[in-house]
Amino acid sequence: QSALTQPRSVSGSPGQSVTISCTGTSSDVGGYNYVSWYQQHPGKAPKLMIYDVSKRPSGVPDRFSGSKSGNTASLTISGLQAEDEADYYCCSYAGSHVVFGGGTKLTVL
Amino acid sequence: QLQLQESGSGLVKPSQTLSLTCAVSGGSISSGGYSWSWIRQPPGKGLEWIGYIYHSGSTYYNPSLKSRVTISVDRSKNQFSLKLSSVTAADTAVYYCARDPGGWGWFDPWGQGTLVTVSS
Repeated sequence: QSALTQPRSVSGSPGQSVTISCTGTSSDVGGYNYVSWYQQHPGKAPKLMIYDVSKRPSGVPDRFSGSKSGNTASLTISGLQAEDEADYYCCSYAGSHVVFGGGTKLTVL
Repeated sequence: QLQLQESGSGLVKPSQTLSLTCAVSGGSISSGGYSWSWIRQPPGKGLEWIGYIYHSGSTYYNPSLKSRVTISVDRSKNQFSLKLSSVTAADTAVYYCARDPGGWGWFDPWGQGTLVTVSS
């Protein structure tokens, strides 16, 4: 069971858009529409931002959106704000178990 | 509003068993057909799924930890627990409990996390 592959870091200026990729295999990301994304600020517990590839929980701004193509899922954050600076993790169901990505640090310049 | 709170020993000796409990408040652990999970994060590193217990009582574990992990539920106390045996320094991490509403590997809400250090 290998971790999903995410870029180590991405950056963007306030107001811009950034996309974080999450690459797996046909046994996880590509095989199920159960990809989720989490935001984690330093010292805090992760927060669910996207589930089932593209659904947003109540209270998550619509600046956050998710998608999937083949074995790669993506999280797009539009209209970047300073408070979006955090670590982001993707996660996928993999048939009776779950796998996380290695995490991406988003820096707002 | 559902809340989860981890508790247990913060220091465990190598080769011993790590034991943690997650108390659920604001709702019943037996309702809704949810699953209940444990996830950990070594200092400065990423998240690692440990396993979960379905509402049916079935358990599913990370293959890399399966031989050492046990997750159980105590419905009378509205809590679930994690036991990890034969720990080493590599098991030092912040341990989180979380609810999996759909049983499909997405987690909400999470507990605040508890740091467990493995050291003699």
